[in-house]
Amino acid sequence: ELKVEQNPLFLSMQEGKNYTIYCNYSTTSDRLYWYRQDPGKSLESLFVLLSNGAVKQEGRLMASLDTKARLSTLHITAAVHDLSATYFCAVEDNDMRFGAGTRLTVKP
Amino acid sequence: DVKVTQSSRYLVKRTGEKVFLECVQDMDHENMFWYRQDPGLGLRLIYFSYDVKMKEKGDIPEGYSVSREKKERFSLILESASTNQTSMYLCASSFGTAMNTEAFFGQGTRLTVV
Repeated sequence: ELKVEQNPLFLSMQEGKNYTIYCNYSTTSDRLYWYRQDPGKSLESLFVLLSNGAVKQEGRLMASLDTKARLSTLHITAAVHDLSATYFCAVEDNDMRFGAGTRLTVKP
Repeated sequence: DVKVTQSSRYLVKRTGEKVFLECVQDMDHENMFWYRQDPGLGLRLIYFSYDVKMKEKGDIPEGYSVSREKKERFSLILESASTNQTSMYLCASSFGTAMNTEAFFGQGTRLTVV
């Protein structure tokens, strides 16, 4: 059974700081996705990673995928308040399974 | 724009009622999914469908059934609603065979069973 584990589950950061969210999974899939969810809203796609070594960047967020380690990271650079949200990773292996989510709060 | 539409944003139902949650997508996606989202548990897969009339159980199918009579529509049925089915329900869809199978989500249905 595919398991997807994210950590940390809660993250409180100061503006301007850097941090990394980790997503470990238990299968050999090479398809991994990152989503953002704002309070009361649905999930919005951030990154699609489809091969080992894939790296995608958008603004202050950068996602990478290491299929050999079964690990994806979401790195936040110089955090700003607008990045406060819950971030989910999801792994595709016949179906789509999600991690528990990381609730990020960026404080001024 | 991809659109995944769930029939209701909020629902309140009584224990024992049969509840239908409807989801429609307009992108000709093969795959459709139903998840429930609960605090601290992330999204848990209830059922998914990879084609019309095809369905597969996810992690937590007990107490639920699904129907996919047309490609664009995927229904989640709570046979006899119980209070532990109070949750946020999210529908998603994606292509089935293309390299990019990124899922697109509906706005969610917050169901309360009283």
